[in-house]
Amino acid sequence: AQTVTQSQPEMSVQEAETVTLSCTYDTSENNYYLFWYKQPPSRQMILVIRQEAYKQQNATENRFSVNFQKAAKSFSLKISDSQLGDTAMYFCAFMKHEGEGSQGNLIFGKGTKLSVKP
Amino acid sequence: NAGVMQNPRHLVRRRGQEARLRCSPMKGHSHVYWYRQLPEEGLKFMVYLQKENIIDESGMPKERFSAEFPKEGPSILRIQQVVRGDSAAYFCASSPFPGGGYGYTFGSGTRLTVV
Repeated sequence: AQTVTQSQPEMSVQEAETVTLSCTYDTSENNYYLFWYKQPPSRQMILVIRQEAYKQQNATENRFSVNFQKAAKSFSLKISDSQLGDTAMYFCAFMKHEGEGSQGNLIFGKGTKLSVKP
Repeated sequence: NAGVMQNPRHLVRRRGQEARLRCSPMKGHSHVYWYRQLPEEGLKFMVYLQKENIIDESGMPKERFSAEFPKEGPSILRIQQVVRGDSAAYFCASSPFPGGGYGYTFGSGTRLTVV
C-alpha cells in the first residue's frame, strides 16, 4: 500500500521569503503522479502543482516549484516570494497511474500548516 | 463554469438521523469522487462513481454509507443513523475522464456535525 508522509505539522515564513515543505512517499509502483494541494481557511482544495513520475524535469508553476527525487521518494514544494495569501494547509498527494480506466484514488499526507507573517 | 458545487456547506444532525450530501460536478465531468477529512487529517478516499455506476467503493464503510450518481441530477452521499464519529468534512471532486491524473477539481466540502 502507498503512504504519504509530511513530517512538518506547522511552518512559518516571513512575507517575501522562500519556504520549502517536505513530503516523502512509499510505493512499489514505477509510474504515478504526485500533487500538492492548498487548503485555505475557506476549506476549498486547490491544486497547486502536479508532477508525473516518468518526467525527470521538476514541475514549476509561477512562484511554486517542486524538487522531485524519485530514487529517494521525495517530493518537496518550494514557495518563493511568499505572500500572505499563501497561508493555508498544504497537502502532498500520490496517485497510481493505472492507464486507461484508472481508478485515480488520491492518497494524501496529513498536511503542513503554513503561516506567512507580514 | 460554476465549478464543483456541494451543498449544504454545513449540516448538523442528531445521532440516529440521516445525512444527505449533494455534489454537482463541473459541466462535462462524468466522474465523481467522494473523500472524507477528519479533523487534523488529510483527505481519505471513499468512493468513485460514474453516471449510474459505482466503480470503486473500497474506501467506504460497509454499513450505513451509500452513494449514487444518477443519470440526471447530483451525486448523493447518504449516511444513515449517523454517529458522532461521522463528524467530518466531506469533499466531492470531479474529472472529465477516468483516473484524474491531471488533478481533480474539488468542491468546497460539506462539514457534517453530529450532536
